[in-house]
This record gives sequence, C-alpha cells and structure tokens, in this order.
Amino acid sequence: DVKVTQSSRYLVKRTGEKVFLECVQDMDHENMFWYRQDPGLGLRLIYFSYDVKMKEKGDIPEGYSVSREKKERFSLILESASTNQTSMYLCASSLPWDRGNSPLHFGNGTRLTVT
Amino acid sequence: GQQVMQIPQYQHVQEGEDFTTYCNSSTTLSNIQWYKQRPGGHPVFLIQLVKSGEVKKQKRLTFQFGEAKKNSSLHITATQTTDVGTYFCAGRRNTGFQKLVFGTGTRLLVSP
Repeated sequence: DVKVTQSSRYLVKRTGEKVFLECVQDMDHENMFWYRQDPGLGLRLIYFSYDVKMKEKGDIPEGYSVSREKKERFSLILESASTNQTSMYLCASSLPWDRGNSPLHFGNGTRLTVT
Repeated sequence: GQQVMQIPQYQHVQEGEDFTTYCNSSTTLSNIQWYKQRPGGHPVFLIQLVKSGEVKKQKRLTFQFGEAKKNSSLHITATQTTDVGTYFCAGRRNTGFQKLVFGTGTRLLVSP
C-alpha cells in the first residue's frame, strides 16, 4: 500500500518566517504534488514535480517554492510566511499520467497556522 | 484557465435517502477521478472514468461521465452514516500537460 508521509500534522509559525513542509513517499512514484485546501475552495494545486529536480507551477505558486532532490521527497517552502498562507497543506504522489489509472495518493496533511 | 465546478456545496440527508453530486468542467476532459474525504482525513481515490458516456458502479455508488466529457456525477443509493464526508471530482485536461483540476467538493452529512 502506498504511503505518503508528511513531516508535521500541525505547525504554528510567525509572519515572515521561512517554513519547510516535507513529504516522503515510499512507492517510487514519479509525480509528486503540493495542494492547499481551504473551505469552499476545494484543493488548489501549488506545485508539482514529474521527476527529480523537475517542477511545474500549479494554479497558486505565488509565495511558495519547492525542491525535489530525491525521487521520494518533495519539499514545499514558504519563503516568508504570511497570514493568508494559513491553510491545510496536502502532499500527494502518483504514477505518470500515461500509465493508465494513476490516482493521487495523499498524505495526512499539515495544518499550518501563521500568526 | 480550466475550472471544475461542483454542486451542491453541501447536502444533509436522512439515512436511506439518495444523494447526487454533479461536476461540470469548462473544457473537455480526458478523464475524471472521484475522491472521498472523511472528516479529519485526507482525500482517498474512489474511481476513474475515461470513456464518453461511461457508467461505473461500486456497490451503492454509481459514477457517470457525460457524453461530451465535460460533466460527471456521483449518485449514492440509500445513504448510510458511513457515507459522511466530502466528495471531490478531479478532471484531467485533454491537452497540454494534463494537470488534474479538483472541483470545489460536496460535503455530505447523513443523519441516522
């Protein structure tokens, strides 16, 4: 069974801090994703990566960056946290799109509060 | 950009009643996936539909993909309290990098 592990379940940071959210998957998936989930807005894609060192911007990349130095690990970085980045952050992984049925496997999420 | 709208946003039913959520895309989709998120949990994959007009069933759940591949629905027959959660559709674009775009979700509450 695929396991996607996010390093923290809850995180509280101050405005202006640099924040790292870590995600590790154990199924050798090529694709990895970072979403944020807010009430009434569903899941919005921040960044995704389809290979080591490769990244693509999603729908809301402003204020975020990512790093994928190893296949199993995908990090989300908030360069200077702001209160409007308070949210639930979900990491996911999947096989490449061209392998037929390629569902997303999500981690448990990190609830980040920026004060 | 591509948008995927989902209605209703919220529905409260009595156990035993049926439930349907609808998903509409502004562009043609190559496929659509459905996920369920229990309260306090993370989204879990339910099913993927690929063909125009496709219908798939999982016990009491029926999933449909529209003929034009721009809309989809999930119907639950005779809801149970275990059906409580938020249901998301997620559509994959027909062109470009085929990014998966999630709908806004429908939150289902089932009273015993």
